[in-house]
This record gives sequence, structure tokens and C-alpha cells, in this order.
Amino acid sequence: DQQVKQNSPSLSVQEGRISILNCDYTNSMFDYFLWYKKYPAEGPTFLISISSIKDKNEDGRFTVFLNKSAKHLSLHIVPSQPGDSAVYFCAASPSNAGGTSYGKLTFGQGTILTVHP
Amino acid sequence: EPEVTQTPSHQVTQMGQEVILRCVPISNHLYFYWYRQILGQKVEFLVSFYNNEISEKSEIFDDQFSVERPDGSNFTLKIRSTKLEDSAMYFCASTGIWETQYFGPGTRLLVL
Repeated sequence: DQQVKQNSPSLSVQEGRISILNCDYTNSMFDYFLWYKKYPAEGPTFLISISSIKDKNEDGRFTVFLNKSAKHLSLHIVPSQPGDSAVYFCAASPSNAGGTSYGKLTFGQGTILTVHP
Repeated sequence: EPEVTQTPSHQVTQMGQEVILRCVPISNHLYFYWYRQILGQKVEFLVSFYNNEISEKSEIFDDQFSVERPDGSNFTLKIRSTKLEDSAMYFCASTGIWETQYFGPGTRLLVL
């Protein structure tokens, strides 16, 4: 089941620089996308999301871009900080009438981000 | 800030034994989920629960699995006869109507 793919298992970035994490999906039923951050021995923590009616959503240092025609999304973290070091999961779901996530989440494999001081 | 809690944090059991994993979702949430993550693999959906019944389940969620909301606050996942391949982190999640899913810290299950 490769409906959501994160092709980079890991990414290493210098503190202060931009981190770009990528995600591709294949299922056209997906129209809501989320990024979760996960530290070891903790559950996934919601970071940012985007509906398919948008192509960009920004929250502080985090921006998610969606290219619906390419079925591709990316998470930009600027500037990156050592505390951002974690596993980042892309997830997708259908949306509800309110335009938010509805039903089960389908996850990618995750990308381990390491931000070096 | 409200959070999803799970107990126990770790559970070790013998193959063939029953285990019950417990979750307390965020109090005003209506939709409840179980996911699992086998070591080194992606987080996988198991089951969703709404209005006291299963709304969706995956192929993984076979007759050995069951869920229950026994008292209006707890949400449990029971595995009747555990197998070695059930060893994983099990995450509970909950959400309100127009919200994203919030995850608990997980229960690490090890089946020997």
C-alpha cells in the first residue's frame, strides 16, 4: 500500500537553513493533507495541514505547499532549529463538508529530520 | 491543553494471551481511532469508532481484535489471542467534528 509516499528516509540540515520535506500521493480521493511530527517514545503531534482547495498554508516557521496536479506536497521549515529534529509524517484523508480531515489517515513512511547546530 | 492518554505505556505478553489497551480520548471528541506502527514501518490505520459502533476497519482488524467504549470516557482495544506479529506501538487518536486527529503517546506491545 503506497498511497502516500515519502521518498527521503532522512534529511540533514544546518541550523538556520531551510528544511524541505516532500510527500507524494496517488489516491485522488485524498483532499486533505496533514503533517505530523514525532519524537521517540511519543505519539504523532499535529503540525500543519492543508485542504485541496488551497495551494499554500503557513503557520509561523512552517509552510505546506500543495501541487494537486502533481499529487505532491512539501513542508518547509524556515529557519530550522535543533528542536525540529524528529520524524515527520505526511498523512492524507478525504475531507468533510466543513473542509477538514474526515475518516482514517493514511500515512507516509516518515522522514527523519536532523538539524545540526 | 487537553490530551489523549493511553495505558499502559508498555505491555509484554506471551503469545496466545489476551491484552487490553486503554485510551482516554479528549473529552468532547466524538470520533475515535486505533493505529499501529510496527518497528521500522509506517503508521497504519486499524479501526475507527463513532456513536458506539465501528465506522471503518482495515484488513488488519480481524476477528482477533475488538474495540469498546465501556463507560463514556475510556476507549479500549482488545486483542484476544496475541501473535508475535502483533508486536508494535499502538496509538489511539480522537477528533471532534471539524478538527484534526490528536494522538496519544502510544502503548508499546511486545509479544513473546
